Amino acid sequence: EIVLTQSPATLSLSPGERATLSCRASQSISSYLAWYQQKPGQAPRLLIYDASNRATGIPARFSGGGSGTDFILTISSLEPEDSAVYYCQQRSNWLTFGGGTKVEIK
Amino acid sequence: EVQLLESGGGLVQPGGSLRLSCAASGFTFSSYSMSWVRQGPGKGLKWVSGFSGSGGGTYYADSVKGRFTISRDNSKNTLYLQMNSLRADDTAVYYCAKGRGSWFEDSFDYWGQGTLVTVSS
Repeated sequence: EIVLTQSPATLSLSPGERATLSCRASQSISSYLAWYQQKPGQAPRLLIYDASNRATGIPARFSGGGSGTDFILTISSLEPEDSAVYYCQQRSNWLTFGGGTKVEIK
Repeated sequence: EVQLLESGGGLVQPGGSLRLSCAASGFTFSSYSMSWVRQGPGKGLKWVSGFSGSGGGTYYADSVKGRFTISRDNSKNTLYLQMNSLRADDTAVYYCAKGRGSWFEDSFDYWGQGTLVTVSS
């Protein structure tokens, strides 16, 4: 099973700051990585697929990068509504999710 | 507009059974893969089972293989999850999720609101 490790566990930043979230795979997954945002009581929402492609309707402040084993989700300028837990997910070999990064807005 | 609406969750005793349904609309249901993803209380997301579109096969996480059965009725645009021999660690919110394409190994562009399954005596 491919294990995805997300860091940091929690990120606390102010509005307007840049957030950088990391997802590391236990083996190469090419670019088969997605990012989701989940707010309390809501279903996850797809942000990025195949490492760097923004999903429909996702604001341009969200961007993804990386390939192989190391991936990054960047939120260029945090908005209050970006407070959420962010998960990565790989589809290279079956389907697994990372443990999540909680983004708190100060 | 794509919509996924789950139903069938509830409280069940250990060893019991439950059948979840997911009614889909707004897209050509038969062409896309569909999956069930669960989230235990205060926990992260875990893929449970998937069904490839366009006449494809079924796939299961090891933790549910032999106990859960995924099926789909393309004439009713509905996905199902039959859960047998339920255990306490199956307690979770179960989400129905649509794949971006037809193969089950995919990212999920639409999700239902989830249905809570609680396994407890």
